[in-house]
Amino acid sequence: DAGITQSPRHKVTETGTPVTLRCHQTENHRYMYWYRQDPGHGLRLIHYSYGVKDTDKGEVSDGYSVSRSKTEDFLLTLESATSSQTSVYFCAISEGSSTDTQYFGPGTRLTVL
Amino acid sequence: AQSVTQLDSQVPVFEEAPVELRCNYSSSVSVYLFWYVQYPNQGLQLLLKYLSGSTLVKGINGFEAEFNKSQTSFHLRKPSVHISDTAEYFCAVTKGGNTGKLIFGQGTTLQVKP
Repeated sequence: DAGITQSPRHKVTETGTPVTLRCHQTENHRYMYWYRQDPGHGLRLIHYSYGVKDTDKGEVSDGYSVSRSKTEDFLLTLESATSSQTSVYFCAISEGSSTDTQYFGPGTRLTVL
Repeated sequence: AQSVTQLDSQVPVFEEAPVELRCNYSSSVSVYLFWYVQYPNQGLQLLLKYLSGSTLVKGINGFEAEFNKSQTSFHLRKPSVHISDTAEYFCAVTKGGNTGKLIFGQGTTLQVKP
């Protein structure tokens, strides 16, 4: 299994509070991604990173920010959580090109009350 | 813009029966196609992918898929399913370039009954 961990694995928070989710990899892969999974929508890309300090938006980036200060860590921040951000969040990594396999972490289940 | 449609949200099937999970995509450019599987309470893992060449792609656990450009489809098949194949299956597409951004379908839950 690819070395990807996500923390925390479960979190319950209240509307309006800031939340940071962490993705850590030990594979030295260049690309890292954050997806959210919701019933009936599959997985949707939030943000991705193609190197240290290099990030770009995905299809559902509103309300989210990311940072990547080290190759191994990719942080997803909800500045002010809303109930619509209740979801399961997955981190993925890949070596880079569109033909490369993405390897997924175990997920973080976030509930915003 | 690309999109992926998985035509069935749930597919119930008896053990040892064949199964087909359907996936259609739309894109104005050449794409790469993937099938991922998600077992309960786990992340996704790659079953197989089509990049180029032979349109019949074989993957892990006895699954295969056929790329049909004229019908813009990439259906997943297995000739004989096991209880352990019960999972959610996702079709995904990405276009060329170096971003690797995947567009996923809505998912199909395969329920294998004894």
